[in-house]
Amino acid sequence: NAGVTQTPKFQVLKTGQSMTLQCAQDMNHEYMSWYRQDPGMGLRLIHYSVGAGITDQGEVPNGYNVSRSTTEDFPLRLLSAAPSQTSVYFCATLGYSGANVLTFGAGSRLTVL
Amino acid sequence: GQQLNQSPQSMFIQEGEDVSMNCTSSSIFNTWLWYKQDPGEGPVLLIALYKAGELTSNGRLTAQFGITRKDSFLNISASIPSDVGIYFCAGSLRAGGTSYGKLTFGQGTILTVHP
Repeated sequence: NAGVTQTPKFQVLKTGQSMTLQCAQDMNHEYMSWYRQDPGMGLRLIHYSVGAGITDQGEVPNGYNVSRSTTEDFPLRLLSAAPSQTSVYFCATLGYSGANVLTFGAGSRLTVL
Repeated sequence: GQQLNQSPQSMFIQEGEDVSMNCTSSSIFNTWLWYKQDPGEGPVLLIALYKAGELTSNGRLTAQFGITRKDSFLNISASIPSDVGIYFCAGSLRAGGTSYGKLTFGQGTILTVHP
């Protein structure tokens, strides 16, 4: 049982390049989300999905796209990377339990030059 | 939006000392969570609190949900080197409707334990 798997672990991009951060879960959780972590700012919600075919914006969605074609996968796309998107990205899932207790992946560290 | 203020931002302590950190909010929450993040890993849940006034322990860790529902604290007793990491508080409303899955995080407390 792998839980929440994120790839890649590390990535370096040049400004303007595009890439996709992958998130896969094997817990059959309906809810999946993406957070970014920046020093001194905690974790901030980028986008989330409450089920296949349904996505919505979080607190900091600009510059990111998401889609949810299956329950298992929730990729995060950067169409034109900017240095301000240098961060550590975490995918998190939630199985319904009546409480918002998220399970996080190990993170993807992205550097945009 | 909601803001969580977590303090202190960092702590440098000797092994064996007790640690205390807290979080305050400008608005009320129904759930308070405490996560720990080891270097290079994602946050892992330590303690979840669901009721105002609730005091919960997990080994050497003790956390409380404030009576006003706007604050929470985490204590670590007799610290050991593996306690090193970043500790985050997080608050949420009930897991339903537009609040489903949404957590607001504090800025984190970086804990360093000297052997």
